[in-house]
Amino acid sequence: DAKTTQPNSMESNEEEPVHLPCNHSTISGTDYIHWYRQLPSQGPEYVIHGLTSNVNNRMASLAIAEDRKSSTLILHRATLRDAAVYYCILRDGGTYKYIFGTGTRLKVLA
Amino acid sequence: GAGVSQSPSNKVTEKGKDVELRCDPISGHTALYWYRQRLGQGLEFLIYFQGNSAPDKSGLPSDRFSAERTGESVSTLTIQRTQQEDSAVYLCASPGPNTGELFFGEGSRLTVL
Repeated sequence: DAKTTQPNSMESNEEEPVHLPCNHSTISGTDYIHWYRQLPSQGPEYVIHGLTSNVNNRMASLAIAEDRKSSTLILHRATLRDAAVYYCILRDGGTYKYIFGTGTRLKVLA
Repeated sequence: GAGVSQSPSNKVTEKGKDVELRCDPISGHTALYWYRQRLGQGLEFLIYFQGNSAPDKSGLPSDRFSAERTGESVSTLTIQRTQQEDSAVYLCASPGPNTGELFFGEGSRLTVL
């Protein structure tokens, strides 16, 4: 199973952009890259996903490297409510198994 | 229902007892996942159901763990002879049929004394 690696923690100032990196060097051609976040005492919630092209939605942007071996989740203006653990996940397009990485704990400073 | 529903939200049990955790996925979602999350840790895959296909049980940590699903509806995760290391939050999720976005329940927090 392809795996992901993320930094354990990151800090950001409120109102500033945040770039959360994820490495997935063993990604296969059919794996989708998903990002989820988990607020304290809650189940994870979907943020964004992509396959090859960069993606934007109301929550964030996803930048995918040309070789697909890494990706970056971009929060354009961090707020205190964005403090959470962010998981980079590969969804195996063949088996549909979601493989969670270690997650990055994002701390947002007021 | 509107979202993935799990029960109980909290369960405290004594070591050696059996527990049953329930997940009611979003109506129409054919697939269902169970994950375990120990305190301060990431999510561990346990089992995956897809329609009437044989479930992927590759993540179940021991034969004390089992799960069933009736058709495309409710699933139950059973832990027999619970041990203290089974203490965790057990999360259920079902992916939307089109985007594959995973919808998680709030989890069942299990504490084994």
